[in-house]
Amino acid sequence: DSGVTQTPKHLITATGQRVTLRCSPRSGDLSVYWYQQSLDQGLQFLIQYYNGEERAKGNILERFSAQQFPDLHSELNLSSLELGDSALYFCASSVAPGYEQYFGPGTRLTVT
Amino acid sequence: GESVGLHLPTLSVQEGDNSIINCAYSNSASDYFIWYKQESGKGPQFIIDIRSNMDKRQGQRVTVLLNKTVKHLSLQIAATQPGDSAVYFCAENRDNAGNMLTFGGGTRLMVKP
Repeated sequence: DSGVTQTPKHLITATGQRVTLRCSPRSGDLSVYWYQQSLDQGLQFLIQYYNGEERAKGNILERFSAQQFPDLHSELNLSSLELGDSALYFCASSVAPGYEQYFGPGTRLTVT
Repeated sequence: GESVGLHLPTLSVQEGDNSIINCAYSNSASDYFIWYKQESGKGPQFIIDIRSNMDKRQGQRVTVLLNKTVKHLSLQIAATQPGDSAVYFCAENRDNAGNMLTFGGGTRLMVKP
């Protein structure tokens, strides 16, 4: 157990809908990262927050957004969902940028 | 474009043998490298990391070797056990601030009893 928690574990929704994925970092970690893992794209970095502020953006679609709250938990919002958004979404945390990232168990999103 | 890749998609070894998983990277500016293990249905698990000012780092039963001249990274697992069966990913940090990891495609390690 990495200490990073993610909810929900599974999510099934229809195209066009909007969902919110939640992540709680390890105790003491200030940095949160979101990744998408699909069969054809592998693990792709989406976005990073550090102590509430956005620090880096990867290949994140405009339909996706995220935020980190004062209690350091983070949410990833996915809207206007398409079939191709079906994937595993992982959250990771680290004490600060540049330190090892610990991954949560992931949320499996299925868009039908 | 530049990417992190792996030479062998699947590696099958006998229990007790040593395993070597290889990874090539193309960005000479990368200065931090990590190996992750991912078991079915789970998130990636940190195994070991190495910074570019080192060429070797050892953990418990694992060793990471970094050859900056040929941009090659390897993970050695000693006395491979059935519990080591998983997909292994190498990842590199390209932006020198630890903000973004770029992952390779993964190698599946299968341990035969």
